[in-house]
Amino acid sequence: DTAVSQTPKYLVTQMGNDKSIKCEQNLGHDTMYWYKQDSKKFLKIMFSYNNKELIINETVPNRFSPKSPDKAHLNLHINSLELGDSAVYFCASSQGQGRVDYGYTFGSGTRLTVV
Amino acid sequence: GIQVEQSPPDLILQEGANSTLRCNFSDSVNNLQWFHQNPWGQLINLFYIPSGTKQNGRLSATTVATERYSLLYISSSQTTDSGVYFCAVAPFYGGSQGNLIFGKGTKLSVKP
Repeated sequence: DTAVSQTPKYLVTQMGNDKSIKCEQNLGHDTMYWYKQDSKKFLKIMFSYNNKELIINETVPNRFSPKSPDKAHLNLHINSLELGDSAVYFCASSQGQGRVDYGYTFGSGTRLTVV
Repeated sequence: GIQVEQSPPDLILQEGANSTLRCNFSDSVNNLQWFHQNPWGQLINLFYIPSGTKQNGRLSATTVATERYSLLYISSSQTTDSGVYFCAVAPFYGGSQGNLIFGKGTKLSVKP
């Protein structure tokens, strides 16, 4: 019973397309995140979201948008895909925002390849 | 913004050896976590340790918040310990406690 699940695991698409990555957590956590891992394994936060607040990393292009239909889901939409968007995208969740945080649980990642 | 530096960047060990990985950070933090990314890409949370010492089996971690560093100890290493170890922090002032800033990682290879 996967705690944080992402789909799809692999995504190959052409430049200019629009795509979505889905994320669901069954841990009852308050906060969900999207991280991008580049080819050098560097992890960088893109968004964090709980019921009250969306925090956007200012370096993220506005072609990327998170959408949360409910507390257990945080999907990532990407418009007009570019070659530089190729990376592994990780969803994560944690309990607590602004109070004690007991650690992240990560999904297994989505490897996006833009051709 | 806060800087996170991990050392060494690469480490090769013989199975059974012990090792210490270090994480230095440039400002006060209220959240520090260690993660292991295995060769298949899965990220596993090892410790939530903004201060103090914790142990979990062959792994232990210590954070000295006043001196802005954390150490991850691996004892009696096994080949399954191979992968990349990340330290991640959230600054005490400004930003969100949950939004972690990651170091560049230490790549560990354990040889049989």
